[in-house]
Amino acid sequence: AQSVTQLDSQVPVFEEAPVELRCNYSSSVSVYLFWYVQYPNQGLQLLLKYLSGSTLVKGINGFEAEFNKSQTSFHLRKPSVHISDTAEYFCAVSDPYNFNKFYFGSGTKLNVKP
Amino acid sequence: DVKVTQSSRYLVKRTGEKVFLECVQDMDHENMFWYRQDPGLGLRLIYFSYDVKMKEKGDIPEGYSVSREKKERFSLILESASTNQTSMYLCASSPVEPQETQYFGPGTRLLVL
Repeated sequence: AQSVTQLDSQVPVFEEAPVELRCNYSSSVSVYLFWYVQYPNQGLQLLLKYLSGSTLVKGINGFEAEFNKSQTSFHLRKPSVHISDTAEYFCAVSDPYNFNKFYFGSGTKLNVKP
Repeated sequence: DVKVTQSSRYLVKRTGEKVFLECVQDMDHENMFWYRQDPGLGLRLIYFSYDVKMKEKGDIPEGYSVSREKKERFSLILESASTNQTSMYLCASSPVEPQETQYFGPGTRLLVL
């Protein structure tokens, strides 16, 4: 089974600063990769996904992520964060051949300070 | 837009009660899922269903059962609630094609006293 590691449980950052949220997964076989965001008291919303093709993926709200197969990583970045980006972010990995095999990381809480 | 709704945002139940959590999706998705979310553990799959009346156990099915009588509705049942089932419960759905993306409901925060 896959495992997904989000190295930072909390990331404090000042408004307008850049941010990177790290995600590593265990297996180097073919995978789909996702980032979801969860605002307080809400469900998960898809930010972006990598299925194939270009390793740099752009998502909503100015976020992007880069797939690095050799390092089995899929780090999320934003060049300038806003207060409204304060939320918890989850990295997820799925098996392209088994729709129910969807593995989530433990989450990273992004706290944007004014 | 895909819409996944859950019947309650917050629930308080007593130990031993039978608890029903309801999930409805309006996009005719074949696949539906129930997860529980706990701090520091991310999301863990309880059960999923790939068709009406079809269900499969996920990673942590103990203490739970599910029901899918209609395509749009997937229910999670706690037969006899226990305090260790206090958690946030998230429902999700996905189509068969493309099945790579799951769409989530707002969650039900359950407190078992």
